[in-house]
Amino acid sequence: DVKVTQSSRYLVKRTGEKVFLECVQDMDHENMFWYRQDPGLGLRLIYFSYDVKMKEKGDIPEGYSVSREKKERFSLILESASTNQTSMYLCASSSLAGGISEQYFGPGTRLTVT
Amino acid sequence: TQLLEQSPQFLSIQEGENLTVYCNSSSVFSSLQWYRQEPGEGPVLLVTVVTGGEVKKLKRLTFQFGDARKDSSLHITAAQPGDTGLYLCAGGESGNTGKLIFGQGTTLQVKP
Repeated sequence: DVKVTQSSRYLVKRTGEKVFLECVQDMDHENMFWYRQDPGLGLRLIYFSYDVKMKEKGDIPEGYSVSREKKERFSLILESASTNQTSMYLCASSSLAGGISEQYFGPGTRLTVT
Repeated sequence: TQLLEQSPQFLSIQEGENLTVYCNSSSVFSSLQWYRQEPGEGPVLLVTVVTGGEVKKLKRLTFQFGDARKDSSLHITAAQPGDTGLYLCAGGESGNTGKLIFGQGTTLQVKP
């Protein structure tokens, strides 16, 4: 079974703090993704990475950065947290076997910025 | 821009009823996935359909991919409270990028 783990299930941070969210997958997948999920807005892609040290902006990268130093680990960084970054953050990984991208998600991190 | 539209957005039914969720697009997708997400958890992959006209069954859930690979449906027979959750369809973005295009989701509540 694919396992994707995220460093925290719940996190409360203050405005202006630097926040690190970590994601680890154990299936040797090439691709890793960070999404945020808000009511009424669905899943929105923040960043994704298709290889170590490679990254691409998604639909809403502003205020976020990412790091992928090892294949199994993909970190999302909020440089200076703001209240509008309060959300559910979901990490996913996938391979591209046969041209089909089946994504496997972690349990999510519920981040509250006060 | 590829878009996937899901309908209905919300569905509240009694245990034992049948239901169908639709996922439609004007674009062709190479594959389409269905996920279920329970409150406070990440989405879990239920099925992937690849071939136009393909039908897959998972116990009481039946998934169909349209002949033209632009639409899909999820049918649940005799729904149970354990089926409650958010159902998401997702299609592979063209160009083999590895990214998925997600529908907005259908929130299903099955009352005992």
